[in-house]
Amino acid sequence: DTGVSQDPRHKITKRGQNVTFRCDPISEHNRLYWYRQTLGQGPEFLTYFQNEAQLEKSRLLSDRFSAERPKGSFSTLEIQRTEQGDSAMYLCASSPSRGELAKNIQYFGAGTRLSVL
Amino acid sequence: QKEVEQNSGPLSVPEGAIASLNCTYSDRGSQSFFWYRQYSGKSPELIMSIYSNGDKEDGRFTAQLNKASQYVSLLIRDSQPSDSATYLCAVRRDKGDTGRRALTFGSGTRLQVQP
Repeated sequence: DTGVSQDPRHKITKRGQNVTFRCDPISEHNRLYWYRQTLGQGPEFLTYFQNEAQLEKSRLLSDRFSAERPKGSFSTLEIQRTEQGDSAMYLCASSPSRGELAKNIQYFGAGTRLSVL
Repeated sequence: QKEVEQNSGPLSVPEGAIASLNCTYSDRGSQSFFWYRQYSGKSPELIMSIYSNGDKEDGRFTAQLNKASQYVSLLIRDSQPSDSATYLCAVRRDKGDTGRRALTFGSGTRLQVQP
């Protein structure tokens, strides 16, 4: 499978617990994005990495959220002290850095659905 | 005002008809425009990208862009029941290679193609 891979696909947790999600981008893509999508809404941007550098962060990314991409390959998104409002689909996307038009295109993974009880 | 506006629908069209989906955006600095298709419970899938004014055709899909009116549309010809999905409009403001790369999405339009 050469697409964007996310793990786990589903996560159920109790309020106050910490959760961590993983994203493996398409292998030749060095740009990686995290989005959050709630029911009936489009994806909302959370953060963006180019290689291991985190270059953009949305104000939606509160201090309970942290994202890393330590070796410029896979990325993790951690949510500490989860709240019911964190329940959403967390989507990861990647894009290439070469090719003037290709680098604009973001390819999405299947997402991790988080349910906070 | 939302940055990207779409009619939530549902837009219902009979099989074989043309479906017309519309999107307006507020940021005049937007340079890249995308249409994604999202089936229920699945991830967004890129359908079309468009960067300059005018029409861009790909198979049964045509994207139209009018930057002066801040308007993007997607036409689906010969609509099929398998086209039934939510269509998301996304825009990006490019500021060179170090600029903002996030996509801003609308809430999507749900399309129903009736057999």
